[in-house]
Amino acid sequence: DQQVKQNSPSLSVQEGRISILNCDYTNSMFDYFLWYKKYPAEGPTFLISISSIKDKNEDGRFTVFLNKSAKHLSLHIVPSQPGDSAVYFCAARTSGNTPLVFGKGTRLSVIA
Amino acid sequence: DTAVSQTPKYLVTQMGNDKSIKCEQNLGHDTMYWYKQDSKKFLKIMFSYNNKELIINETVPNRFSPKSPDKAHLNLHINSLELGDSAVYFCASSQSSGLAGVSAKNIQYFGAGTRLSVL
Repeated sequence: DQQVKQNSPSLSVQEGRISILNCDYTNSMFDYFLWYKKYPAEGPTFLISISSIKDKNEDGRFTVFLNKSAKHLSLHIVPSQPGDSAVYFCAARTSGNTPLVFGKGTRLSVIA
Repeated sequence: DTAVSQTPKYLVTQMGNDKSIKCEQNLGHDTMYWYKQDSKKFLKIMFSYNNKELIINETVPNRFSPKSPDKAHLNLHINSLELGDSAVYFCASSQSSGLAGVSAKNIQYFGAGTRLSVL
């Protein structure tokens, strides 16, 4: 039972263009959402997060949008750079001593 | 200066053996975690400790036993290894567990992973 779904296993984008990674969730109790980036042979690295009381959070080239009614969030990377090529994981959790639930990841390839 | 370090990076062993993976964080965090990333690439929580106390214990065989000697260390011991235990195991830590509400204090920072291969 996947509570966090990333339906696109891979995405290719040209350098300089926008990358949009999508994530859907089923648990309406989730109140904090995170994106992690992972390079091969390394651990996931925190990228950006958003609380359920907001609908947008921006950090440099990275923006996360949250649509609670649709149970959908997205990560926008503008402009995309070759160094952004990695696997991106969406994750979510509820308050309390509860686990972080990860999606399966989307592999982003930024082509020069 | 690695924030969350786990050893070894690679572990190849025979079925039936017992092995341990060590994890240390120098971030001063209160909460530590073990995750398993299986062949389907899902990252799933196994255990979480807050100030040396077990707070999350997902459905994991009791052959897996975490031990937290202090809040900077969380080790994972696996008895009687099976083929299905082959995976990448990640350790992580966060400033707090989220019991009082989730915030940036609950952002988890991961180690580089231990690739376990059971032959």
